[in-house]
Amino acid sequence: GAVVSQHPSWVICKSGTSVKIECRSLDFQATTMFWYRQFPKQSLMLMATSNEGSKATYEQGVEKDKFLINHASLTLSTLTVTSAHPEDSSFYICSARDRDRGPYNSPLHFGNGTRLTVT
Amino acid sequence: SQQGEEDPQALSIQEGENATMNCSYKTSINNLQWYRQNSGRGLVHLILIRSNEREKHSGRLRVTLDTSKKSSSLLITASRAADTASYFCATTGADSWGKLQFGAGTQVVVTP
Repeated sequence: GAVVSQHPSWVICKSGTSVKIECRSLDFQATTMFWYRQFPKQSLMLMATSNEGSKATYEQGVEKDKFLINHASLTLSTLTVTSAHPEDSSFYICSARDRDRGPYNSPLHFGNGTRLTVT
Repeated sequence: SQQGEEDPQALSIQEGENATMNCSYKTSINNLQWYRQNSGRGLVHLILIRSNEREKHSGRLRVTLDTSKKSSSLLITASRAADTASYFCATTGADSWGKLQFGAGTQVVVTP
């Protein structure tokens, strides 16, 4: 159980275009989802917290107009990288917490990540 | 911002040996969690230890937590080649969303 599906697993796009990444919780409902970014051989950097039915909360230094997050249902959050540039190339990972487990003392369930390459 | 520091950054051992990695953090926590990441993949939750716990076991994994030193350790006993991965500690603080802040990670290579 507790499967998170992230799609696509990889995408190549041209500079200036927008890319949408989907994150779905398949067998549980997630009030809160988190989006991370990871550079090669580095740790995960939290970008934003996505809350169902409300605006996302962005971490300091993350441009909310560039990384649009929509959490329209209890099982789906999307991250749209707008007007992508080569420096946006990275590994993006979503995670979700089972809403029945509460925000504390419960694990996050991760998608398999999306490798974005902007040419 | 990253919460924790981990050491070592990289660890190379042979099958059957034990692997130990450490994690330090800076602020007060509700719990500390360890995750494993295989190359190019998402993270898999390994174990969660609450701030009022000192030690926890799960199969070949043993985690300790010392809140006075703000540190934790993960021990993998009798390692296998399949344990080759990056291991991250992550902490949950007192904010309202329970978001995780990750450490830098330890890259473990287990050779047959």
